[in-house]
Amino acid sequence: EAGVAQSPRYKIIEKRQSVAFWCNPISGHATLYWYQQILGQGPKLLIQFQNNGVVDDSQLPKDRFSAERLKGVDSTLKIQPAKLEDSAVYLCASSPMGRGMYNEQFFGPGTRLTVL
Amino acid sequence: AQRVTQPEKLLSVFKGAPVELKCNYSYSGSPELFWYVQYSRQRLQLLLRHISRESIKGFTADLNKGETSFHLKKPFAQEEDSAMYYCALGYGGSQGNLIFGKGTKLSVKP
Repeated sequence: EAGVAQSPRYKIIEKRQSVAFWCNPISGHATLYWYQQILGQGPKLLIQFQNNGVVDDSQLPKDRFSAERLKGVDSTLKIQPAKLEDSAVYLCASSPMGRGMYNEQFFGPGTRLTVL
Repeated sequence: AQRVTQPEKLLSVFKGAPVELKCNYSYSGSPELFWYVQYSRQRLQLLLRHISRESIKGFTADLNKGETSFHLKKPFAQEEDSAMYYCALGYGGSQGNLIFGKGTKLSVKP
């Protein structure tokens, strides 16, 4: 089966600019995650969707980050305006089931963001 | 608060030597522990989970609740085991969220 797709793979912007990332999960996967991975750190959850509803966005900096998952399939993550500390790899992951199970998460290749 | 600690940033061993990647966790609930691996130029992927009690690619990990540890072990390292290894803790009850450690880079020398 096709894996999680993300685009773009790389993005370089200047601080205060805006940027958007796109994720297409594995077909049929109900749960979608966005993670931020800063160099030298493990992935940190930003937001979790169950179908098109938000389950957990407690670690999402809502003053500048936003995310949506229209129709419960694709998702976009936006940063507006970007700060230097937003430089990181943004990972999208999906898993096949909803609440109740710690299912395997399948990760995309990530988008490497550099903010200058 | 929940936390995952991987004390070693880098672990270097020779081929055929035993490997142990350390992971300690802090969590007040019933833990679900995982090991994820990222090989060079590949995606992050699940290696094993404690609940399955399985051996994947020769790796095993035992959950020790008394020591709050979930160390990853392999008796004889292979060069293809070289990768970044992340320990992860499932939290949040039924939501299935994960908190990751900072990772350990395993380098297996020929």
